[in-house]
This record gives sequence, structure tokens and C-alpha cells, in this order.
Amino acid sequence: NAGVTQTPKFQVLKTGQSMTLQCAQDMNHEYMSWYRQDPGMGLRLIHYSVGAGITDQGEVPNGYNVSRSTTEDFPLRLLSAAPSQTSVYFCASSPRFQTGLNTEAFFGQGTRLTVV
Amino acid sequence: AQSVTQLDSHVSVSEGTPVLLRCNYSSSYSPSLFWYVQHPNKGLQLLLKYTSAATLVKGINGFEAEFKKSETSFHLTKPSAHMSDAAEYFCVVSASSASKIIFGSGTRLSIRP
Repeated sequence: NAGVTQTPKFQVLKTGQSMTLQCAQDMNHEYMSWYRQDPGMGLRLIHYSVGAGITDQGEVPNGYNVSRSTTEDFPLRLLSAAPSQTSVYFCASSPRFQTGLNTEAFFGQGTRLTVV
Repeated sequence: AQSVTQLDSHVSVSEGTPVLLRCNYSSSYSPSLFWYVQHPNKGLQLLLKYTSAATLVKGINGFEAEFKKSETSFHLTKPSAHMSDAAEYFCVVSASSASKIIFGSGTRLSIRP
């Protein structure tokens, strides 16, 4: 059972470089999201998607782009990396929310990104 | 709109004593509530979840949480702390038709020998 797979696990970028963090899930979940985790700030929502072709901004979207061409994949793009984007990034997926039903979110193992 | 507030950024208890991690939420819809645990340099593990069934929810490793709608709270408890419980704990709310999942800022639990 693969669940949610994130790649890479670690990455070092130079300021101004671009890169894509990959996220794939094999549970046919409609909802996928990206978070960044910084000390003392919990996990903050960057972007999310409620289905293929539909994305929306979360709490901290600046500097990041997403697309959802398939149900399985939800890549996160850093267009021009900045030191402020040094963080641990988590991808999550879950079924669409329905009151009373199981809407547990499943998380990838995280990507530790350092921008120098 | 929905939000979640963890009232303590750090809790320290002695091994064998009770644990209480506090969480208050705000939601325009009937929420689903979760507690996740993150051990150092690890991913996120689901401890327990509330989805409008029983208000007292039992999770893994002896943890429990009680949903109190009147107080908009979902506090996490454990009768007797163990050294292996030292970790970061996150209260999470999921509600609304957009299925947004919102995290609290986390509570770091330390266990004293």
C-alpha cells in the first residue's frame, strides 16, 4: 500500500532556482493539499485541490504554483526559490468531506527543502 | 470559516502522570476533528478522530479526546505519560464543502523521568 508518496525527501536549492515537489496518491482521493511546516507555526496550508482541474489557494500561497491534471498527482512548483521557503513540506490527501464519515487525511513523509 | 487553537505551545509532565493537551476549534459546519502526532524528524501519524459519532474518542497508545460542542473543545488526554509520548501534537479540523484541513500550531509534549 503506497498511500501518499512525496519526492524528493531532501533538496538543496540556490536562491532563484526553480523546482517541483512531486506528490502522488493511489487511494483515489478527491482532496489533496500542500503544507509547509516551520518551527512554532504548525502546518500552514499552501494550496489545495478538491479534484482534477480544480485548485485553490490556502493560507500561504505566494511563491508557489500547483496544478491537478489527474486525480493521482498534485505537484508543487517553486518558481524562484527564496531562503524564506526553507521548510519541511508535506503533501496530504483525503476523501471529500462528508459529515459523519471518515475524512482522515493521509500524509506523505515530507520533503526537507533548504534554500541557500 | 474554520480555525483551531492549541492553547499550550509546550507541556511538560513527569512520567506516569496524566497528560492534557488543549484544543479549541471554530467551524461554521459540523466539523471532523483529529489529533496527529509527530515524533522528531518523522512524518505525521493519526492518533484519533471525531466524526460526529461518540463524543469520547479513543485512539492509539492510550490517548483519548472528548468532543464538547458547548465549549468548542477537543482536548487530548492520557492517564499516564510514557517517555515515548514525547513528541509534537497537532489538533486538526476539517469542515466545509471544500474539505479544507486546518492545523493548530502544535503542542510540544516533554516527559520528565
